[in-house]
Amino acid sequence: KAGVTQTPRYLIKTRGQQVTLSCSPISGHRSVSWYQQTPGQGLQFLFEYFSETQRNKGNFPGRFSGRQFSNSRSEMNVSTLELGDSALYLCASSWNGTSTGELFFGEGSRLTVL
Amino acid sequence: DAKTTQPPSMDCAEGRAANLPCNHSTISGNEYVYWYRQIHSQGPQYIIHGLKNNETNEMASLIITEDRKSSTLILPHATLRDTAVYYCIVRVGSGGYNKLIFGAGTRLAVHP
Repeated sequence: KAGVTQTPRYLIKTRGQQVTLSCSPISGHRSVSWYQQTPGQGLQFLFEYFSETQRNKGNFPGRFSGRQFSNSRSEMNVSTLELGDSALYLCASSWNGTSTGELFFGEGSRLTVL
Repeated sequence: DAKTTQPPSMDCAEGRAANLPCNHSTISGNEYVYWYRQIHSQGPQYIIHGLKNNETNEMASLIITEDRKSSTLILPHATLRDTAVYYCIVRVGSGGYNKLIFGAGTRLAVHP
């Protein structure tokens, strides 16, 4: 079956702009979580959605937001972009949304802010 | 959330077993130990997970100490394609949250 699909794979924005990233989970998966990866901070949890509800949130400013649709696809949005937002943004999906379910990661969206 | 400690880097000869240690001394009783690896610029790949008992799958074995304060991931016959960053993660058990706290990981280099 198809894996987790993230679009776009690469994008370049300038400071002050906003960006929307998309994640299509594996068919049947209801949980989608987002992570930011930077060379300095490593992989950091952003938030998780399950059945269209945000269940958990990491320590990121309000400029980072997300949502999940009824078909489990998820989007995350970053407003007023800063240079430090340049990162690989990873999405992961899980079928049952519990701590025992394997998380499947996508290949990520690489954002460069100039 | 429990934190993990891993050596920053390790080397292994191709064909030999790679043993990657992880300390998680503050782990709670309902928290699972997960291992993922990340090959350059790709998304992390699930390897194995466990709670108390040792686990084995087609990729690796996971040995968890009886007090659960540490664990070891074993790749029985390392290949060059196993070169990657390996993350040991303690996963929050209560509430069903899929929040993974990644540490810095161990950079494993498999050489011929």
